[in-house]
Amino acid sequence: GENVEQHPSTLSVQEGDSAVIKCTYSDSASNYFPWYKQELGKGPQLIIDIRSNVGEKKDQRIAVTLNKTAKHFSLHITETQPEDSAVYFCAAKNTGFQKLVFGTGTRLLVSP
Amino acid sequence: GAVVSQHPSRVICKSGTSVKIECRSLDFQATTMFWYRQFPKQSLMLMATSNEGSKATYEQGVEKDKFLINHASLTLSTLTVTSAHPEDSSFYICSAFTQDEEAFFGQGTRLTVV
Repeated sequence: GENVEQHPSTLSVQEGDSAVIKCTYSDSASNYFPWYKQELGKGPQLIIDIRSNVGEKKDQRIAVTLNKTAKHFSLHITETQPEDSAVYFCAAKNTGFQKLVFGTGTRLLVSP
Repeated sequence: GAVVSQHPSRVICKSGTSVKIECRSLDFQATTMFWYRQFPKQSLMLMATSNEGSKATYEQGVEKDKFLINHASLTLSTLTVTSAHPEDSSFYICSAFTQDEEAFFGQGTRLTVV
């Protein structure tokens, strides 16, 4: 089955810096890769996703890149703000199965 | 994005009692919903897949008699924790896929069994 690894487990940056979180997946059949932001005591919130037919997707300060050959995808947050502090999860899925397989999460701390 | 509503957000119950958690897709229909459990500082652990009109599919190691799932309509799935014990205390979260295959999550339910 699919296995998703996520790094780093914690990331501390200064406000205004960029943050990058990386994930690798094992199943070459996976074709949908969402990223979630989870604040303390709340459910995960979908912030951006990418499908295997594109290599990059951007939404304001957030971007995701996908390298199908290497089987890894990354979340890029530019001009970080304290409110970006949260736990971020990557996930992968194959359309043939509807289960999302999650990474282990990255705790991002943005200091003012 | 689509909205998945989960209720209650917090519940405290006595050991031995049962607790029901509701998960609703508010602006879309979901033939399949998912139930997760999350321990502190850990990732989401899939417990079961809830299928509208049929039996749920449980992940290995999840007791189906303890965690009863019902998906009676295209917008509602319920998780009932039966005969709850302190070790069942956890954060439970549901999710559903839209037609575009984007997964949205509920707000989560913090269950405390005393």
